[in-house]
Amino acid sequence: AQSVTQPDIHITVSEGASLELRCNYSYGATPYLFWYVQSPGQGLQLLLKYFSGDTLVQGIKGFEAEFKRSQSSFNLRKPSVHWSDAAEYFCAVGEVGYSTLTFGKGTMLLVSP
Amino acid sequence: DGGITQSPKYLFRKEGQNVTLSCEQNLNHDAMYWYRQDPGQGLRLIYYSQIVNDFQKGDIAEGYSVSREKKESFPLTVTSAQKNPTAFYLCASSRTGGITDTQYFGPGTRLTVL
Repeated sequence: AQSVTQPDIHITVSEGASLELRCNYSYGATPYLFWYVQSPGQGLQLLLKYFSGDTLVQGIKGFEAEFKRSQSSFNLRKPSVHWSDAAEYFCAVGEVGYSTLTFGKGTMLLVSP
Repeated sequence: DGGITQSPKYLFRKEGQNVTLSCEQNLNHDAMYWYRQDPGQGLRLIYYSQIVNDFQKGDIAEGYSVSREKKESFPLTVTSAQKNPTAFYLCASSRTGGITDTQYFGPGTRLTVL
């Protein structure tokens, strides 16, 4: 069975500083990995996704994520955080043989001035 | 503009009442999903449908029901059998329902049981 762990419930980053949000997964075969962002009281928006190929994936809003099979990780990064990045971030995993995604519990990003 | 609409944005219900949450999409997507979101719990799948007139239970289907009579509509009924229905409900759709498809989300409905 697939599962996703986001170890950090909250993270606070100063505006302009770099960001890394952690995501670890367990899977039985080839994982399909996603990062979504949710602004308060809103739906989710896809930031980026990884299926195969280059392990460094570029997404929208200046985000990127790196797939590391040896560490079962798919961490989200941004070199310089803006106040508008404050939101909740969800990692999700899909897998061949399953029809649905499994979402992590989310990491809330707070941006300090 | 194409997208997903959910209504109402806020919904209040008395205990023992059934209530139906609306979800409509004009993206011409085949697949639609209902998720429940609770603080610190992430998203949990309630039901999904990959084609009209067919749907499957997700991880937490008990106390909920759905229908898919039209491609663009996937209403969710929260029944009185749902023990703790207060939550934020999100509807999503994807083009074919394939695991690699992007899911597009509506703005959500916040249900409060009084």
